[in-house]
Amino acid sequence: DAKTTQPPSMDCAEGRAANLPCNHSTISGNEYVYWYRQIHSQGPQYIIHGLKNNETNEMASLIITEDRKSSTLILPHATLRDTAVYYCIVRVEYNFNKFYFGSGTKLNVKP
Amino acid sequence: EAGVAQSPRYKIIEKRQSVAFWCNPISGHATLYWYQQILGQGPKLLIQFQNNGVVDDSQLPKDRFSAERLKGVDSTLKIQPAKLEDSAVYLCASSLINAGQFFGPGTRLTVL
Repeated sequence: DAKTTQPPSMDCAEGRAANLPCNHSTISGNEYVYWYRQIHSQGPQYIIHGLKNNETNEMASLIITEDRKSSTLILPHATLRDTAVYYCIVRVEYNFNKFYFGSGTKLNVKP
Repeated sequence: EAGVAQSPRYKIIEKRQSVAFWCNPISGHATLYWYQQILGQGPKLLIQFQNNGVVDDSQLPKDRFSAERLKGVDSTLKIQPAKLEDSAVYLCASSLINAGQFFGPGTRLTVL
């Protein structure tokens, strides 16, 4: 029961910013948006999460629209090692911390 | 801090055989999850434990899959008997209560 919608794939040139969109139009007030990525043959890796405000860490920035119905993950300077599947997940806080994974976006970073 | 450990990393079995996977979560994490990830799809939650108890096993095929978490720490997931469609990566994750999940490297199962 994925609660998010993402494009299946995107391309990005190495060194440029990668902007990955996510639609979560049915999000509730206390539900957080999480982003994970999965590099081939590895387990998903946490990137960033947010509730209402924009967030930034050493890996990425998360921009959440004011109505919270969509968000964008920004990798400011994509490298070839950022090639992965990126998952946008809404965490259902009052339902035992469930994560619902969709199919994600396959980001291809090209030289 | 040590991450989530899983073993084995790879397993090949024939259909109708049994198999077991082991997971050791991050120390202090009360919640443990088992996911199944079929090639090309996102992970699907099979079962979720909070301490010793099961909080969700609605997606677990209980006729062939079983899982336990003894003493609220390590966990094992078993499949008996395996079917061809069980070929997948089995991921274990752990978290503090109501916090982000940390994933292990997964076990790749091939059923021939």
